[in-house]
Amino acid sequence: DAGVIQSPRHEVTEMGQEVTLRCKPISGHNSLFWYRQTMMRGLELLIYFNNNVPIDDSGMPEDRFSAKMPNASFSTLKIQPSEPRDSAVYFCASSRTRDRNSYNEQFFGPGTRLTVL
Amino acid sequence: SQQGEEDPQALSIQEGENATMNCSYKTSINNLQWYRQNSGRGLVHLILIRSNEREKHSGRLRVTLDTSKKSSSLLITASRAADTASYFCATVPRGSSNTGKLIFGQGTTLQVKP
Repeated sequence: DAGVIQSPRHEVTEMGQEVTLRCKPISGHNSLFWYRQTMMRGLELLIYFNNNVPIDDSGMPEDRFSAKMPNASFSTLKIQPSEPRDSAVYFCASSRTRDRNSYNEQFFGPGTRLTVL
Repeated sequence: SQQGEEDPQALSIQEGENATMNCSYKTSINNLQWYRQNSGRGLVHLILIRSNEREKHSGRLRVTLDTSKKSSSLLITASRAADTASYFCATVPRGSSNTGKLIFGQGTTLQVKP
């Protein structure tokens, strides 16, 4: 299996531009998570989906951030408009969650390093 | 807010020494997991311990769980320079529904000097 795939790996953009980050989870996994990691704030859960349905988006910083999961094999995280404080590494992770006793081991992608100038 | 609190935040040891990291959490859990993150990479799952287990081993890793104290420890024996990384604990809260969410701690940064 190829693992969780994220694109792009690096993104440099100017303030005000729209940024779209993409994620392909591991085939067969039904939970997908978007995280953001910075030195100051550490690892933050932004939003996660279960069976393509958004479950908890309370970690999304503000309305500039949005996420979609149109099908089981693809998700996007969009920032519009982007700001310098959005600079961070954004990770996508997936897991196989079947019932209350699932172990929920998460598999992380390599991350997208976003720099907003 | 993050449920896990890890201690210490940073640890520096010599190669060959043992490294111990601790994690505390607040609510009842289904299981607790440890992850490793090398600089610039995604987190990688290391080991999982269920709530009804007290100790687990995997190679040079030893994990303990004390549910009465709501704490866990990760011991890396005979450390190597390649063990240099950040280590995170993560918990699965016990509950009637399970949508896959993990609650991550803040992490411990381990440096192993050759």
